[in-house]
Amino acid sequence: EAQVTQNPRYLITVTGKKLTVTCSQNMNHEYMSWYRQDPGLGLRQIYYSMNVEVTDKGDVPEGYKVSRKEKRNFPLILESPSPNQTSLYFCASNSIGGDRYGELFFGEGSRLTVL
Amino acid sequence: QKEVEQDPGPLSVPEGAIVSLNCTYSNSAFQYFMWYRQYSRKGPELLMYTYSSGNKEDGRFTAQVDKSSKYISLFIRDSQPSDSATYLCAMGGSNYKLTFGKGTLLTVNP
Repeated sequence: EAQVTQNPRYLITVTGKKLTVTCSQNMNHEYMSWYRQDPGLGLRQIYYSMNVEVTDKGDVPEGYKVSRKEKRNFPLILESPSPNQTSLYFCASNSIGGDRYGELFFGEGSRLTVL
Repeated sequence: QKEVEQDPGPLSVPEGAIVSLNCTYSNSAFQYFMWYRQYSRKGPELLMYTYSSGNKEDGRFTAQVDKSSKYISLFIRDSQPSDSATYLCAMGGSNYKLTFGKGTLLTVNP
């Protein structure tokens, strides 16, 4: 089954404790992206990657890091989480050059609370 | 002016009603237009996709794009309780970056 898998789905942590949210896709997609979704603000892009070792900032990259060492994985790293990073996070992927330009496949989401 | 504006609702309708959801945008570079549906505690999933002005129909759903007015709509006919979800409009240009509306929460009451 084609899917984007995120872990953990739920996490409560404390300010300053480094954490990583993993994302893996099994569709051989080149493009992967992280979003955060907040009430009243909608979906905002954090980082994206066009392919292995190619990453770039989205609209709200501050406080986040990413890496793309393998095509299928795109982890989101919070080096020193703060309460304003409490949010619902989504990983998404897409095939570059396909017919459905811009169609994103989303994971189920990771709800992060930073105390 | 925000790039994409979408009325957040919430919108509550009786079963069988026709639902109209709308977004306006300001960026003329947007070339393709989508509607995503997001059920509670789930990720968004693509519902409708179009890259030209006019109407596109898929079952009970019709997506309408008016590039001259920078306005897109989603119509749901014979709405069902299973249509209750948040609907997000999304638009993109040539760089694979999508800009999303904030979403409209729809509830269809049996």
